[in-house]
Amino acid sequence: SQTIHQWPATLVQPVGSPLSLECTVEGTSNPNLYWYRQAAGRGLQLLFYSVGIGQISSEVPQNLSASRPQDRQFILSSKKLLLSDSGFYLCAWSGGTTDTQYFGPGTRLTVL
Amino acid sequence: KQEVTQIPAALSVPEGENLVLNCSFTDSAIYNLQWFRQDPGKGLTSLLLIQSSQREQTSGRLNASLDKSSGRSTLYIAASQPGDSATYLCAVIPNYGQNFVFGPGTRLSVLP
Repeated sequence: SQTIHQWPATLVQPVGSPLSLECTVEGTSNPNLYWYRQAAGRGLQLLFYSVGIGQISSEVPQNLSASRPQDRQFILSSKKLLLSDSGFYLCAWSGGTTDTQYFGPGTRLTVL
Repeated sequence: KQEVTQIPAALSVPEGENLVLNCSFTDSAIYNLQWFRQDPGKGLTSLLLIQSSQREQTSGRLNASLDKSSGRSTLYIAASQPGDSATYLCAVIPNYGQNFVFGPGTRLSVLP
């Protein structure tokens, strides 16, 4: 069966520090991968999605970036965090014969 | 641009009640619509997916309906239980190959 992992689960970082969040998927190949951010009291905002290795599409211009170095690995990064980057970051994957997306457990990021 | 809204933002009901959650979308031309559940601090879990050609889907005590012409979907929960307490999100795929557009969610509390 397929599983999706995210780490770390929680992170507290000072403003201006770098960021690296990792997401990996097991049990499937060539998945579509997604990074979402969920701010308090707001809906999910799609940040990036990828349909293959090295292929990244950005939905919202900001100081975040994403990379897909391997088929089932998706990384969200920042060189310098802002206070507004605080939120709950979710990774998801889709693929196969269904149109649904499967979500990871999320990373709670607090920027101080 | 497709926009998704959900009413109410929060709902509190006593255990055993039947309840309805509402989702509205601005563009009736959709590929499919999906309802997700999110427990506090966790990722999303898919509940029901309705293709654009379908009118409803059922899973256990859950029933989701879709009325594309009016841009509305409802999630009906029968005989609610405290374990149903969570945030319920509605999401629409505007066209095949496009990404989900999420609503802000309805936070449900079922009181024992």
